[in-house]
Amino acid sequence: GENVEQHPSTLSVQEGDSAVIKCTYSDSASNYFPWYKQELGKRPQLIIDIRSNVGEKKDQRIAVTLNKTAKHFSLHITETQPEDSAVYFCAASIGNDMRFGAGTRLTVKP
Amino acid sequence: NAGVTQTPKFQVLKTGQSMTLQCAQDMNHEYMSWYRQDPGMGLRLIHYSVGAGITDQGEVPNGYNVSRSTTEDFPLRLLSAAPSQTSVYFCASSYSEGTINGYTFGSGTRLTVV
Repeated sequence: GENVEQHPSTLSVQEGDSAVIKCTYSDSASNYFPWYKQELGKRPQLIIDIRSNVGEKKDQRIAVTLNKTAKHFSLHITETQPEDSAVYFCAASIGNDMRFGAGTRLTVKP
Repeated sequence: NAGVTQTPKFQVLKTGQSMTLQCAQDMNHEYMSWYRQDPGMGLRLIHYSVGAGITDQGEVPNGYNVSRSTTEDFPLRLLSAAPSQTSVYFCASSYSEGTINGYTFGSGTRLTVV
């Protein structure tokens, strides 16, 4: 099955800086790549997603890029704010089988 | 519109006991799934369903059963609880037209097996 690796496991940035989280996937048939944000004690929530026919997608301060050749995708958060502090999960999906990365704990220091 | 509702929120079981975690959604989503979340391991897929009467195994199905008799409900059964099943369990659903879309997650069930 699909295997998703996520790096780094922890990331600390200063407020206003950018944060980048990277994921790689193993199965070239994967065609859907969502990113989820999970605040402490809460459920994961979808923040952005991208499909395999698109190379980049942006929504205000967050953007996702996809490199199908290299089988990796990244989440970019610009102008980070303390409320961006959370655990972020990437995922890759082949049809109905979605696999998640292990998560990145992002801390934004004021 | 309640979204995805999971019950109970917390549960403590003794080794060998059985129980059912409930999941219901009111969004007419075809696709439902169960994940477990363990520290440092992200979310791992247990079972999923693409519609009423259809279920399939995910990455870590052993020790769990599911059924999907209605579109709204997707219960997860632990047959004989083991300490290794101590985890936080999330149910998720999605509207699907042959390809998966973003999930809506329930609020989770924190299960401890002693």
